[in-house]
Order: sequence, then C-alpha cells, then structure tokens
Amino acid sequence: QKEVEQDPGPLSVPEGAIVSLNCTYSNSAFQYFMWYRQYSRKGPELLMYTYSSGNKEDGRFTAQVDKSSKYISLFIRDSQPSDSATYLCAMRKGGAQKLVFGQGTRLTINP
Amino acid sequence: ETGVTQSPTHLIKTRGQQVTLRCSSQSGHNTVSWYQQALGQGPQFIFQYYREEENGRGNFPPRFSGLQFPNYSSELNVNALELDDSALYLCASSLEDRGDTQYFGPGTRLTVL
Repeated sequence: QKEVEQDPGPLSVPEGAIVSLNCTYSNSAFQYFMWYRQYSRKGPELLMYTYSSGNKEDGRFTAQVDKSSKYISLFIRDSQPSDSATYLCAMRKGGAQKLVFGQGTRLTINP
Repeated sequence: ETGVTQSPTHLIKTRGQQVTLRCSSQSGHNTVSWYQQALGQGPQFIFQYYREEENGRGNFPPRFSGLQFPNYSSELNVNALELDDSALYLCASSLEDRGDTQYFGPGTRLTVL
C-alpha cells in the first residue's frame, strides 16, 4: 500500500466550476502538507502549504487538512482553462526533508 | 520561475551506459534534493544533499549517486543504466531553515533504450 493515495483521474470540468482534489495517507507522522501544480513538460510549482490540520485560502485556492481522517483536499473556485494541469499532493514528517508525493490528478478545464 | 535550472533538457542513452545530470539551485539555497518521476506517477525521492554531504536517501540503489558543490550546483550520476531508469529527473532546492518549501527545476527527461 502506498503511503499517499491520489486518484489519477483524468478529471474534466467546465470553466467556472468548483474543483475538488483529494489525497489520503496512511502515515500519521506526516505534519506538513503541500499541493503542487505541474504543467506538461515542466517541474512542479508549489501552490499551497499547510502545517497540521486546518484550512488555508489563497485567492481561488483553498487547502484543507483533516489529520484525524488522514485526508487532505484542494478546492479551486471559478476554475479557468489555465488551471488545466496535473495536481500533486505532497507531505512530509516533521524534521524530514523528504517529500512523499501522491500519483497526481490530471485536471482539464473546458472553456 | 523558481530560479532552479537543470541541464540537459532531454537525454537519450542506451542500457549499461552512465549519465550525469546537472542542477543549479537558487542562490543561497544550501540544500538540494533529487527526485525521479516516472510517466504518470508522482516524484520519488532519490536523495538530498546539504552543505555538500548526503543528508538522506530514498529507496534507490548505490548506482545512483550525487555531488553538491559550493557554488549551489549539484549533479546526479547514474551508472549501469537500466530501461526502468527512463523518467523525468527533478532537482529541488531549499533554504536550510525552510526545508518545507522546495523549489523545483524544470527537470531532465532521460530515455534509456
């Protein structure tokens, strides 16, 4: 069983829709949670970073962490075609540098 | 742009050969991590270098090795290439005290024939 599970999709939604992306994990030692966006043939770009449980909002993006359920989410409001990319969840233990990634969800926003 | 650069962009090698991939970190970042991303998968941690010393390693064999230089550049070396080594290789740099914020380069796509 993988430490981090993420539905690979693909996920296709119309422009303007609210998108929900999710990951589950098995290791309760994870304390730091991140979402990266990766465009085709590019490196991952950090979108959101959250420590422990709670919500964090940045513009159209909201990240949620529920440590009791070992479940994290990324919501994208008013989705745009430019949001079309692969979204990777990542997490790490306290004091560790190693990031553990999910498989990535491929998202397409249709105009 | 993250300020992290990698070279070359693409590389084709044959099985059994050796390859060296290069990364230039953001100025001031003394930590570099290398990841392997197979097609359709998330990145997998190979190892990390901190102040020119290996500071952690993932589940990769010893034929994967690295170097970090004082000028914030680093190398990933892979010996005895196998077909399964075909992947996107990513380096990520971070500040000593902000290891959670890792800035990724664009990657080097390696194809092993």
